[in-house]
Amino acid sequence: SQTIHQWPATLVQPVGSPLSLECTVEGTSNPNLYWYRQAAGRGLQLLFYSVGIGQISSEVPQNLSASRPQDRQFILSSKKLLLSDSGFYLCAWNGVGVTGMNTEAFFGQGTRLTVV
Amino acid sequence: RKEVEQDPGPFNVPEGATVAFNCTYSNSASQSFFWYRQDCRKEPKLLMSVYSSGNEDGRFTAQLNRASQYISLLIRDSKLSDSATYLCVVITSGGYNKLIFGAGTRLAVHP
Repeated sequence: SQTIHQWPATLVQPVGSPLSLECTVEGTSNPNLYWYRQAAGRGLQLLFYSVGIGQISSEVPQNLSASRPQDRQFILSSKKLLLSDSGFYLCAWNGVGVTGMNTEAFFGQGTRLTVV
Repeated sequence: RKEVEQDPGPFNVPEGATVAFNCTYSNSASQSFFWYRQDCRKEPKLLMSVYSSGNEDGRFTAQLNRASQYISLLIRDSKLSDSATYLCVVITSGGYNKLIFGAGTRLAVHP
């Protein structure tokens, strides 16, 4: 069965420090991968999505970047964190079903980032 | 205009009530639709997919109206445990895959 791992679960980082969040998927190949951020009491904002190795699409200009060095690995990074980067970061994946339609998305447990 | 829009609520309803949520989407090329449930400080979890012909899962019924570009979720006989935020999700294909969430509708079921 497919599983998605995201770590760490919580993180407190000072302003100006770097960030690296990692997400890996098991049990599937060539997944579509996504990074979302959710501010407190708000909806999910799509940050990046990837349909293959090295293919990254960015949704909004920001202080973050993403990379996909391997098929089932998706990394979210920042060189210098801002206070506004605080939030709940979620990694997700989906694929294509037997009918050719996109399947539902499965989420990691999320990383709660607090920038102080 | 946002790609996916939902009424944020909150919807405060008594146990046993029937409640309906709507969600509109702007891209007519959207192909796949889902409803998710998110509990406080947790990741979203799939509630149900939404099929063109409409579908039902116990107390939950989902409908899709492509002409008007909206999806709906009906919850019958609300339970206290239904209290959560309900997110609609739209996937747009056409050479790439983009999974867009609505901001969510908060439901509070009270005794």
